[in-house]
Amino acid sequence: QVLQQQWGAGLLKPSETLSLSCTMYGGSFSVYYWSWIRQPPGKGLEWIGEINHLGSTNYNPSLKSRVTILLDTSKNQFSLQLNSVTAADTAVYYCAASVLVEGGFDIWDQGTMVTVSS
Amino acid sequence: QSALTQPASVSGSPGQSITISCTGTSSDVGGFDYVSWYQQHPGKAPKLMIYDVSDRPSGVSNRFSGSKSGNTASLTISGLQAEDEADYYCCSYTSTSTLVFGSGTTVTVL
Repeated sequence: QVLQQQWGAGLLKPSETLSLSCTMYGGSFSVYYWSWIRQPPGKGLEWIGEINHLGSTNYNPSLKSRVTILLDTSKNQFSLQLNSVTAADTAVYYCAASVLVEGGFDIWDQGTMVTVSS
Repeated sequence: QSALTQPASVSGSPGQSITISCTGTSSDVGGFDYVSWYQQHPGKAPKLMIYDVSDRPSGVSNRFSGSKSGNTASLTISGLQAEDEADYYCCSYTSTSTLVFGSGTTVTVL
């Protein structure tokens, strides 16, 4: 299985909306959780949120008011929307999935750099 | 939610064993057996090394092992090799059904 992000806007202005989507390729499988994780330049990983195969979501409390994660099982695709971005949202954004194991993210994409600047 | 606490750096010579700690609270690390560990080389996506505290995904070397005591989880790398030089992050499930990552540890092979 391979996760691949669709190319989105890499440069945003403050107050705009970040939109990313990610598709799983590689045959039939079950996914426990689909997640978005980000990493500001030179810093650590931050969990943004997740959605399970039933469409139930959980979000990082610090981002909850601005985040929406959606799942389209017919396309094996899930998406991230982050509203009202600021410079603090500048980061590499990863999509990840729990496929072979429920307790960890065993499939990751290569990451997409998103910069917020006026 | 605050990041789990990891040492900023750990180093060791080839062949040695090193241990990275990951300290949280009873609301995350101490409350659940859902701690995972990730290895990240520069410019690359993280790779799952340990899940559910001590289980290894298929294909991960048995030189990597995980454990937990109280509110602290640990990752041990035995027989340290040059290729183990990377950043390592722990991750825990929390009592509010969220996940939290550790602050990250840079492993240097001397």
